[in-house]
Amino acid sequence: EVQLVESGGSVVRPGGSLRLSCAASDFTFDDYGMNWVRQAPGKGLEWVSGINWSGDSTGYGDSVKGRFTISRDNAKNSLYLQMNSLRAEDTALYYCARESLGGCRGTSCWGGFDIWGQGTMVTVSS
Amino acid sequence: SSELTQDPAVSVALGQTVRLTCQGDSLRRYYATWYQQKPGQAPVLVISGKDNRPSGIPDRFSGSSSGNTASLTITGAQAEDEADYYCNSRDSSGYHKVFGTGTKVTVL
Repeated sequence: EVQLVESGGSVVRPGGSLRLSCAASDFTFDDYGMNWVRQAPGKGLEWVSGINWSGDSTGYGDSVKGRFTISRDNAKNSLYLQMNSLRAEDTALYYCARESLGGCRGTSCWGGFDIWGQGTMVTVSS
Repeated sequence: SSELTQDPAVSVALGQTVRLTCQGDSLRRYYATWYQQKPGQAPVLVISGKDNRPSGIPDRFSGSSSGNTASLTITGAQAEDEADYYCNSRDSSGYHKVFGTGTKVTVL
């Protein structure tokens, strides 16, 4: 079964660091871009970061740029998110999501996130 | 602030049709994708591309777009369709992704 399983979430103090992991199974991991999406309690979805199939292109949302770093290890079928200088507003459920191929309108393509994990909770609190 | 705007909440009578909309400049260039999220669950992709439904998504869900507006239509809404719905696409630069503000659908 195609699956994403996140881990690494916990309670951390403001200013602290945390590393999230996402293990992929039953698909060719290095065929796909991967992303992190978060959802604060009772709030909507927020894109956090994305990485292309090879790992040489990354992107970040404005709220985490300069503090979070996304990476992947294709040999281990794993995605990571290193989170530094954590703030209370980073408290959220963090999802790992696979980026689907296709959805092209001419040369502008967006296929969405077709596989999601169940999420790992990060709580930033003193 | 989000670059994709959705109505906060809509209601629909059981068996009737409801259309959700998502507005944003980037939708002139990129398709929107739509997700259904029920309480305590991860989002599920329901529509992508021009009007593509992943395997397992009922055909009462359909998508369309015009100009800067994408729409998700539920034809013959069922009780199990009660959920939050989010649109999503690339932002105007094309490099980043963005989610809409979400619409809570209530089936009466």
